[in-house]
Amino acid sequence: NAGVTQTPKFRVLKTGQSMTLLCAQDMNHEYMYWYRQDPGMGLRLIHYSVGEGTTAKGEVPDGYNVSRLKKQNFLLGLESAAPSQTSVYFCASSWASGGIKETQYFGPGTRLLVL
Amino acid sequence: SQKIEQNSEALNIQEGKTATLTCNYTNYSPAYLQWYRQDPGRGPVFLLLIRENEKEKRKERLKVTFDTTLKQSLFHITASQPADSATYLCALDHSGGYQKVTFGTGTKLQVIP
Repeated sequence: NAGVTQTPKFRVLKTGQSMTLLCAQDMNHEYMYWYRQDPGMGLRLIHYSVGEGTTAKGEVPDGYNVSRLKKQNFLLGLESAAPSQTSVYFCASSWASGGIKETQYFGPGTRLLVL
Repeated sequence: SQKIEQNSEALNIQEGKTATLTCNYTNYSPAYLQWYRQDPGRGPVFLLLIRENEKEKRKERLKVTFDTTLKQSLFHITASQPADSATYLCALDHSGGYQKVTFGTGTKLQVIP
């Protein structure tokens, strides 16, 4: 199993550009999450999904959109990137039926720099 | 407001000693608490989960305690090794459900040979 994978690993954007971060998991997990991690701030939840076709806002959703058209994929979109969105983005997933619900499995992260 | 505090200063200990990391929280009544390990440039990795009705949990050289009266969790690594050097994050169950958790900022542990 590859676990949780993220694409791309690193990206540089100019202010106002758009991009989509892709997260994929092969563990048949129901829940998926997008976090951002900034120095001194810890991991903050952007959006999450409790199943295919569903999404919900987390702690810091402004400026981001998400979609979960397939159970294994969770996309994070930036429509008009701002320097404040420079961060490291982590995707995570949890809970396959019959397993432990609470453990989250994280991807390797995407480093985004917005100039 | 809900708050999680981990010692932001790095913890340096000698190899072979026991490392103890602290996670304090306020305005929370979490059903469970988790500890994760994060290495530079990588995503967090789950280590241990302890529920509110459990006082202590062990896994190999790791031990976690959970004191809901003190609103504190202690994370111990016995017989520490340089390979244990990493940042350790605690995460608390978010009252909103759906297995959402809130993470602390982490404590960086450095084990000196």
